[in-house]
Amino acid sequence: ILNVEQSPQSLHVQEGDSTNFTCSFPSSNFYALHWYRWETAKSPEALFVMTLNGDEKKKGRISATLNTKEGYSYLYIKGSQPEDSATYLCAFKGSSNTGKLIFGQGTTLQVKP
Amino acid sequence: DAGITQSPRHKVTETGTPVTLRCHQTENHRYMYWYRQDPGHGLRLIHYSYGVKDTDKGEVSDGYSVSRSKTEDFLLTLESATSSQTSVYFCAISGNRGSDNEQFFGPGTRLTVL
Repeated sequence: ILNVEQSPQSLHVQEGDSTNFTCSFPSSNFYALHWYRWETAKSPEALFVMTLNGDEKKKGRISATLNTKEGYSYLYIKGSQPEDSATYLCAFKGSSNTGKLIFGQGTTLQVKP
Repeated sequence: DAGITQSPRHKVTETGTPVTLRCHQTENHRYMYWYRQDPGHGLRLIHYSYGVKDTDKGEVSDGYSVSRSKTEDFLLTLESATSSQTSVYFCAISGNRGSDNEQFFGPGTRLTVL
């Protein structure tokens, strides 16, 4: 059974703080790592799909890095805003021909004004 | 928004009854997925499809079956619903490169089994 772990489980920050979360995944047979943002009462939406070791991706104030050799990815949010409050999910795909993603349990971020 | 809908959006049923949830897409995407969301578990894959009539099991497939007779529809059936299947069910789609592509999620179906 493949394990995808996210930490911390939840996080409370003040508006303007920068923050980061971790996603740990198996370092062998890596194929892709996805990050999704999931607001309450909505559906998950993709932030990034990362496939190469050392990849760095950025979308506005949110960025992500990938280390496939040691099996982790970081998601950074610079200058958090209340609208960043959401659950952030990572999902791992191993190198096989299936289309399966294994999701972590998520990190729930609450940004206080 | 990706053209993906789920029906029904809410359903209350009784233990032992059959239930079918429908996922419909207008994107002509090859891959379709059914997940369930439960507190403390995030999203867990039930079944997925990689083409018409091509399906495979996910990590929590017991008690569920699926069918995909055409590209746009992916049906999830609970043959005999149990209270442990009370959950929110999400359908997702992705393009022809499978997990190289991001997944687009439907609005979810809240199922309550009494």
